[in-house]
Amino acid sequence: NAGVTQTPKFQVLKTGQSMTLQCAQDMNHEYMSWYRQDPGMGLRLIHYSVGAGITDQGEVPNGYNVSRSTTEDFPLRLLSAAPSQTSVYFCASSYSRDSSDTQYFGPGTRLTVL
Amino acid sequence: AQSVTQPDIHITVSEGASLELRCNYSYGATPYLFWYVQSPGQGLQLLLKYFSGDTLVQGIKGFEAEFKRSQSSFNLRKPSVHWSDAAEYFCAVSSGGGNKLTFGTGTQLKVEL
Repeated sequence: NAGVTQTPKFQVLKTGQSMTLQCAQDMNHEYMSWYRQDPGMGLRLIHYSVGAGITDQGEVPNGYNVSRSTTEDFPLRLLSAAPSQTSVYFCASSYSRDSSDTQYFGPGTRLTVL
Repeated sequence: AQSVTQPDIHITVSEGASLELRCNYSYGATPYLFWYVQSPGQGLQLLLKYFSGDTLVQGIKGFEAEFKRSQSSFNLRKPSVHWSDAAEYFCAVSSGGGNKLTFGTGTQLKVEL
């Protein structure tokens, strides 16, 4: 199993550009989520999904869209990038939405918005 | 709303010394608590978790943590630190009604040889 994979590893955007961060898992996990990591702030939840076709907002959803058409994939879209979205983005998955389930994290995407 | 506080931003210990990383949480119900480790340029790896039962939890790499409800704490410990333990450590709490993690701000551990 590859676990949770993310592409790209690094990305530089100009303000106003759009892009999609890819996330895939091969563990047949029901629950998937996106976090952003900023210095001194830990990780904060952007969006999450409890199954194909079901998504919801987390703590910091503004400026981001998600969809979940398959169990395996959970892409994160930036519609119009802003410098405030410069961050490291992590995708995670767990077997279910149960609060005790372990979340497995991908290696991250480092995004810089100029 | 739930929250997690990690009071120590940086900690330096000598190799072979004992380690304790502090974590305090705020959550109304019985918490689900986690410790993750992040090596430079890597994703997060679960060290251990607590959701019920024995308040002393054993994890990977020789780490353990103790849940103390009276102190709202979930401190991470290791009896003897190795140079490879240098990393950033995150405490997190999971909310009821969904597996949404709230993280602390992290503690950066440096190990002196």
